Amino acid sequence: EAGVVQSPRYKIIEKKQPVAFWCNPISGHNTLYWYRQNLGQGPELLIRYENEEAVDDSQLPKDRFSAERLKGVDSTLKIQPAELGDSAVYLCASSLGGGSAYEQYFGPGTRLTVT
Amino acid sequence: AQKVTQAQTEISVVEKEDVTLDCVYETRDTTYYLFWYKQPPSGELVFLIRRNSFDEQNEISGRYSWNFQKSTSSFNFTITASQVVDSAVYFCALISGTYKYIFGTGTRLKVLA
Repeated sequence: EAGVVQSPRYKIIEKKQPVAFWCNPISGHNTLYWYRQNLGQGPELLIRYENEEAVDDSQLPKDRFSAERLKGVDSTLKIQPAELGDSAVYLCASSLGGGSAYEQYFGPGTRLTVT
Repeated sequence: AQKVTQAQTEISVVEKEDVTLDCVYETRDTTYYLFWYKQPPSGELVFLIRRNSFDEQNEISGRYSWNFQKSTSSFNFTITASQVVDSAVYFCALISGTYKYIFGTGTRLKVLA
């Protein structure tokens, strides 16, 4: 069974440029998560989707970040414009459901460097 | 407030040594779940174990074992006879109330040949 797929794996952009990350979750997983992981830190949740509905986006910096999950399958996370502080690894995860009992399966992440 | 503390930033051991990674959590909820994840250099977090707050039985899986103690709010992870392939960053995480993972800052384990 294929795991969570993310692309690109690496991205280098100049500040003020836009950038987008793509995630395809494990087949059948209704819940999708986007995390940001800064160097030396644990992942921090940005947004959680239940099917196509964003049910928790309280940590998403909405002035520059946006996300969508059309048709409740794959998802895109966008930053516009990017700032130096956005340099991090952006992780996508999916789970069968949104309940606490479900473990999350993570993709390899996209390492973003903003110069 | 929910919090996960992994006080050990980095641990180095020689192959075949046993090593324990500490995890201390804080939550006011009576129902919660604790997790351990491994993050190898490839970057992908790998699920290791999940425990709920009502099950304090220790668990063993091969060379891995977990000690859950509610009295001290700890969920420690021991690797017996460590191997070089165990080298990674290990994260402890907590979910209570909402479905939001609270991760610790991770412990980098280096196993030297």
